[in-house]
Amino acid sequence: SQTIHQWPATLVQPVGSPLSLECTVEGTSNPNLYWYRQAAGRGLQLLFYSVGIGQISSEVPQNLSASRPQDRQFILSSKKLLLSDSGFYLCAWIKDPTDTQYFGPGTRLTVL
Amino acid sequence: QKEVEQNSGPLSVPEGAIASLNCTYSDRGSQSFFWYRQYSGKSPELIMSIYSNGDKEDGRFTAQLNKASQYVSLLIRDSQPSDSATYLCAAGDSSYKLIFGSGTRLLVRP
Repeated sequence: SQTIHQWPATLVQPVGSPLSLECTVEGTSNPNLYWYRQAAGRGLQLLFYSVGIGQISSEVPQNLSASRPQDRQFILSSKKLLLSDSGFYLCAWIKDPTDTQYFGPGTRLTVL
Repeated sequence: QKEVEQNSGPLSVPEGAIASLNCTYSDRGSQSFFWYRQYSGKSPELIMSIYSNGDKEDGRFTAQLNKASQYVSLLIRDSQPSDSATYLCAAGDSSYKLIFGSGTRLLVRP
């Protein structure tokens, strides 16, 4: 069966510091991978998605970036965090276009 | 712009009642539809998926799809306090992306 991992689970960072969040999927190959952000009390905002190694599509212009160095690894980064980057970051995967997206456990990021 | 609309709620129902959650979508090209449940502080988990017009039942849950009206609903029978959560509706096409609504908060009163 497939499993999706995210770490860290929680993170408190000062404004201006760098960020690296990691997501890995087990039990499948060549998944489509997604990064979402959910601000407090809000819906899911799609940040990036990837259909393969090194292929990244950005949905929203911001100070975040994403990379996919390996087939089942997806990384979200920032060089300098802003207060507005606080939120619940979710990684998700899908195999086929009309299939279900499955979410990882998420990372709660607080920028102070 | 593709959108999925949901009433934010809260929708409050007594224990044992039927909860009815609704969702509309703007993209007629949408082919797949999903309902996720999200407890506070947790990630969304899939409740139901539906791809064809009509009803689809799974235990206490029934999803309904009307593509002509661009309308999706989720019925929860015999609602339990443990059903209290935010329910997210999502629509997908062939682009590998899902469009999510902002969610409806459901409160089941004991």
